Amino acid sequence: NAGVMQNPRHLVRRRGQEARLRCSPMKGHSHVYWYRQLPEEGLKFMVYLQKENIIDESGMPKERFSAEFPKEGPSILRIQQVVRGDSAAYFCASSPNPDSTNYGYTFGSGTRLTVV
Amino acid sequence: DQQVKQNSPSLSVQEGRISILNCDYTNSMFDYFLWYKKYPAEGPTFLISISSIKDKNEDGRFTVFLNKSAKHLSLHIVPSQPGDSAVYFCAARNYGGSQGNLIFGKGTKLSVKP
Repeated sequence: NAGVMQNPRHLVRRRGQEARLRCSPMKGHSHVYWYRQLPEEGLKFMVYLQKENIIDESGMPKERFSAEFPKEGPSILRIQQVVRGDSAAYFCASSPNPDSTNYGYTFGSGTRLTVV
Repeated sequence: DQQVKQNSPSLSVQEGRISILNCDYTNSMFDYFLWYKKYPAEGPTFLISISSIKDKNEDGRFTVFLNKSAKHLSLHIVPSQPGDSAVYFCAARNYGGSQGNLIFGKGTKLSVKP
């Protein structure tokens, strides 16, 4: 009964490269949320997806960032032309339904992106 | 503009004593509050939540109190154990916002000394 799986755990990219972060939700969970944590900060919401649909992308930067959750396979957070300011921990969470406030949203261990 | 504030970056408590972690918020439209615990290099783990229509919720050693008039909530851990040493995040959900769009505080690092 695996939890939320994120890979890679650590990712190093040079400025201008692309970063692809993957998230496999818990079994039975069809709702996925991406958060970013900058150093010394709290987590900040980026995007909420259901299978094949983006429900809320109000926290996504307007440029270079995109997310998808295809019918088959993991959710992908894609950052094009990375810059040093993109260096952060990116966390994915999942839930079986959107209102999971009683038992929380299950987070993965995160991907730590370092842009050099 | 921080809507969820955890003003104490750190807290140190003796094992067996009570730990009280505080959180203030500014948005009266928040309808749910959640507490998460986070160890280094791991993702946040859900601890306990409370609806805005309640003033207390208890789960084992963890109790969350909500004071809506003061826009303040607190997490009590009794008794504190060394394994409780972690960063604790307060989070809030905006009524009318999308589910899963939680607003987090910056966290309080709790150290429980044996």
